[in-house]
Amino acid sequence: SQQGEEDPQALSIQEGENATMNCSYKTSINNLQWYRQNSGRGLVHLILIRSNEREKHSGRLRVTLDTSKKSSSLLITASRAADTASYFCATVPNTGFQKLVFGTGTRLLVSP
Amino acid sequence: DTEVTQTPKHLVMGMTNKKSLKCEQHMGHRAMYWYKQKAKKPPELMFVYSYEKLSINESVPSRFSPECPNSSLLNLHLHALQPEDSALYLCASSQRLARGPTDTQYFGPGTRLTVL
Repeated sequence: SQQGEEDPQALSIQEGENATMNCSYKTSINNLQWYRQNSGRGLVHLILIRSNEREKHSGRLRVTLDTSKKSSSLLITASRAADTASYFCATVPNTGFQKLVFGTGTRLLVSP
Repeated sequence: DTEVTQTPKHLVMGMTNKKSLKCEQHMGHRAMYWYKQKAKKPPELMFVYSYEKLSINESVPSRFSPECPNSSLLNLHLHALQPEDSALYLCASSQRLARGPTDTQYFGPGTRLTVL
């Protein structure tokens, strides 16, 4: 399976704390994306980082990418209860068509 | 308009029924996708259409039949499903299928399917 792995599987924090999620993948990639999914709903694109980039920021989100280790991390700073969701990394392989290969996901719970 | 809509939101069907899921986008995207997602699992790609033509079929059973009648619409026809097909079915679209600067996929809210 090409599926990536994420850890932790679940993360529970208090509002105001930072949340860090890690993603590892198996194949050479064109880019890596992070998506958020609220309970039983569609996925929302958060951020995309290309294979030649090492770090990217968007608001309270910070994404890093280490292609030598085939890994990425998502940091959410100053978390809010509204950040409670599942977070998935998704890679676009470096061959063939654009095809998202999702990681296993991290379930984040932010308590007030 | 950056929205992908899906109907119905919920669907309950018996194993002998025939039903269809519908997906619509008006962003001018020319690639559209169907995903299946089981509880607490990541989405799994089922089909991809590019310029209204089926480009990728991830070895999906024939009881699932996709259709792309025009560039804005994507259907998934269901027939003789099994209880294990119960899942959240997600539709997505992107500007193009080929890799490029516009690789983001936009997802609909999904159809929650229960097969009895």
